[in-house]
Amino acid sequence: DQQVKQNSPSLSVQEGRISILNCDYTNSMFDYFLWYKKYPAEGPTFLISISSIKDKNEDGRFTVFLNKSAKHLSLHIVPSQPGDSAVYFCAASARDNGQNFVFGPGTRLSVLP
Amino acid sequence: EAGVAQSPRYKIIEKRQSVAFWCNPISGHATLYWYQQILGQGPKLLIQFQNNGVVDDSQLPKDRFSAERLKGVDSTLKIQPAKLEDSAVYLCASSPGSGGETQYFGPGTRLLVL
Repeated sequence: DQQVKQNSPSLSVQEGRISILNCDYTNSMFDYFLWYKKYPAEGPTFLISISSIKDKNEDGRFTVFLNKSAKHLSLHIVPSQPGDSAVYFCAASARDNGQNFVFGPGTRLSVLP
Repeated sequence: EAGVAQSPRYKIIEKRQSVAFWCNPISGHATLYWYQQILGQGPKLLIQFQNNGVVDDSQLPKDRFSAERLKGVDSTLKIQPAKLEDSAVYLCASSPGSGGETQYFGPGTRLLVL
């Protein structure tokens, strides 16, 4: 049973345009969400987080939106740059219950120059 | 600040052989995690340590996998004997507190079982 889903295995976007990566979850107890970015042959690096008490968190070019009723979150990258090309993982946890993070399968973003 | 260190970076073994991976977390981080990432999937938690105690090993295949963090700092993960399906990247991560927070990952060890 896949609790965290990223239904788009890959996404291609033109440089300068917006990239939107989506993540859906099934466990209503999840209350804390992270996005990680992973380059080939490197470990995932933390990008941005959001708690369930918020519906938006912004950090520079990166914004995460959370829709709790739809159990959906999305990562927006504006403007997209070629260096953003990587695999992006969504992760969720029921932090108040002390549960560890569950990761989605990832979406490979390619930003074309 | 030095990041999470892992070795080796790559390992090729034959099935039924044994293999061990090493991880040194960020200095001062109490919690250490081992994940398995199979190609095309997200990382799956194998075991979580807080200091030198096991917090969660519910997804660790204990018949063949073992892990230890004896002094509450670095850790080793062992597979004995390895199966073809163990081919994956093994990621180590650490976090400063007791879990449920941002984790910092090492570069991983890519294992190929032939």
